[in-house]
Order: sequence, then C-alpha cells, then structure tokens
Amino acid sequence: SQKIEQNSEALNIQEGKTATLTCNYTNYSPAYLQWYRQDPGRGPVFLLLIRENEKEKRKERLKVTFDTTLKQSLFHITASQPADSATYLCARPTGGYQKVTFGIGTKLQVIP
Amino acid sequence: GAGVSQSPSNKVTEKGKDVELRCDPISGHTALYWYRQSLGQGLEFLIYFQGNSAPDKSGLPSDRFSAERTGGSVSTLTIQRTQQEDSAVYLCASSVERVGTDTQYFGPGTRLTVL
Repeated sequence: SQKIEQNSEALNIQEGKTATLTCNYTNYSPAYLQWYRQDPGRGPVFLLLIRENEKEKRKERLKVTFDTTLKQSLFHITASQPADSATYLCARPTGGYQKVTFGIGTKLQVIP
Repeated sequence: GAGVSQSPSNKVTEKGKDVELRCDPISGHTALYWYRQSLGQGLEFLIYFQGNSAPDKSGLPSDRFSAERTGGSVSTLTIQRTQQEDSAVYLCASSVERVGTDTQYFGPGTRLTVL
C-alpha cells in the first residue's frame, strides 16, 4: 500500500531557527507531494506542491525537497516565528491519482 | 471569494440517531471530497465526487455511511444509526477539477460527538 509517514511527535524549536519536518513514503515515488498546514479547529491549508522531477521548491520562508532515492520529502521553515506553530501535513496521490493520502502530521511549536 | 463551508460546525447526537452533514464547495469546483479526522489521527479519506458521481466509495467505513451530491454543488454526508466510534471531525474539501493535478481547499469541518 502507498503510505505516508510523518514523525507524530511534536517538534519544538526556538524562534529564529530553521524548522525541518520529515515525510517518508512507501512504494513507488508519487508524481508529486503536497504540504498542508493545519491550525487547531481548522481545516488544512495548502502550502506547497513539489513534483517528482523537482529537487527543491521555495516559497518565501518555506522550502521543500523531494528525494526519490531516500523516498523522502523535507519541509523547512527558515527564521521561524511563533505564528508558524501548527501541524504540518504531508500528502501524496494514491488510487490511480484519484485521491490523496495524508500523513498524520507533525506538530510544530515555535518558542519565543 | 467564499471558501468551502460546512454545517453544522458542531453536532452532538445520541447513539443510534441519524445525522446529516452538509458541505458547500467553492463555486465552480467539480471535485469534492469527504475526510474524517479522529483525535490524534491523520485524515482518513471517505469518498470523493467528480461532478455528481462518486467513482470511489471505498473509504466509507460501513454501510451506515452514505453521501450524495446534487447539481454538481452541495454534498451531504449521512451517517445512520450513529455509534460512538463515529465521533470525529468530518472535513470536506473541493478542487477545481481532479485530485491528480489540483490543490484541495478544505472547509472548517463538522465536529461530531456521539454520546
């Protein structure tokens, strides 16, 4: 089966540091991976999509990498701020690309 | 513009009762998805619609769960004879066309509590 694995333990970092979250997948490499942010009591919000042939993608303070050898995507937030505190979800297409499987998410806490 | 809306935001019901959860997708979005998120769990796919048809119902947990979509817009998720294990947040999302290429936009969810 096509699984997405994220470290379910919370990640605490100091404000201003770079946060790095990991997403590992099983089975064959998907055509793309997506990253979402979810705040308590809210639905997930799309952040970035990285395609299989893209090694790295950036958006403002966010950077995502896609390593098909390691079957892994890394999500970085540079110069982290307390407002970045949230749960971050990784997702991949499955089922013939007709649906998306989400990881359990990693809770990030940025400490002032 | 208006995002995905869901109603009610909270629903408390007694075991054995039926409930209906509603989702209003973004206007013009042809694909619509239902997910369930239990405490400490990831998003669990339930069903998706392409237009008014549901090509994949494999995620529905049991035959007590059903969903429909009318007019290519509003969708209703119905849970019959609710059980305590049905307690969760039910999230709806929509995308412009199909999952393979499009970002999903999520609603705020309906928190269902079965007593």
